[in-house]
Amino acid sequence: DGGITQSPKYLFRKEGQNVTLSCEQNLNHDAMYWYRQDPGQGLRLIYYSQIVNDFQKGDIAEGYSVSREKKESFPLTVTSAQKNPTAFYLCASSIGMADTQYFGPGTRLTVL
Amino acid sequence: DQQVKQNSPSLSVQEGRISILNCDYTNSMFDYFLWYKKYPAEGPTFLISISSIKDKNEDGRFTVFLNKSAKHLSLHIVPSQPGDSAVYFCAATKTGTASKLTFGTGTRLQVTL
Repeated sequence: DGGITQSPKYLFRKEGQNVTLSCEQNLNHDAMYWYRQDPGQGLRLIYYSQIVNDFQKGDIAEGYSVSREKKESFPLTVTSAQKNPTAFYLCASSIGMADTQYFGPGTRLTVL
Repeated sequence: DQQVKQNSPSLSVQEGRISILNCDYTNSMFDYFLWYKKYPAEGPTFLISISSIKDKNEDGRFTVFLNKSAKHLSLHIVPSQPGDSAVYFCAATKTGTASKLTFGTGTRLQVTL
C-alpha cells in the first residue's frame, strides 16, 4: 500500500523548542517537498529535494531546516528562529520535479 | 509575483448544478496544469491534469478546460455534489525541467442542498 505518511497528526510544543516533523514515502519518488498552509492561504513551499543528499530552499525557508539522507525520508525541523511556527505542514513527493505531486495527510503544529 | 492566480476565494453552488472554478497564469512557459482538492486538516489530493497540447480533459464529473491564448484554465464539476465541498487549488509547471509546481491560493467551494 504505497503512499506518504506524516507523523504525528497533531503536535504541540513550547515556544523556543525545536521540533522535527516526520515524512516518509514508499512510492520510490526522487523528489520531496515541504509546504506550509495558514488559514485562508495557499500552499507555501518551505524546502524541496530533487534527490537524496540534495535539497534547496523554497519561498519561506527561514527558521526551518531539512535533511535527505534516505530516498524515503525528508524530515523537517522547525527551529526556534521561526517566528510564526503554528501552522499546518504538508509533505509531498513526485517522481521528478515537474511531475504530479502527491501529498501526505499533514501535521498541525501548535506552538504554545 | 503570483504566477498562478485564483481570483475567487470562495464559490457557492447548489447541489446538482455546475461548479466552475477559474485559474489564470502569467508564465507562458507553463505547459502542464493540475487541479487538487483539499478537505480541512487533510493533504491535497490530485484531481485532474491537462497538458498544453490539449484544450480539454475529462474524468467523470470533472472537466478541465485550457485556453492558452488567454492563459486561463477552468475546472467544471457537473453535477455538483455536497461531497465536492472543499478547497480547490490549481497548479502549473514546465515539464521536462527541474521546475517545481506553482500553486494558486485556492478557491473554497461550498455545495449547498
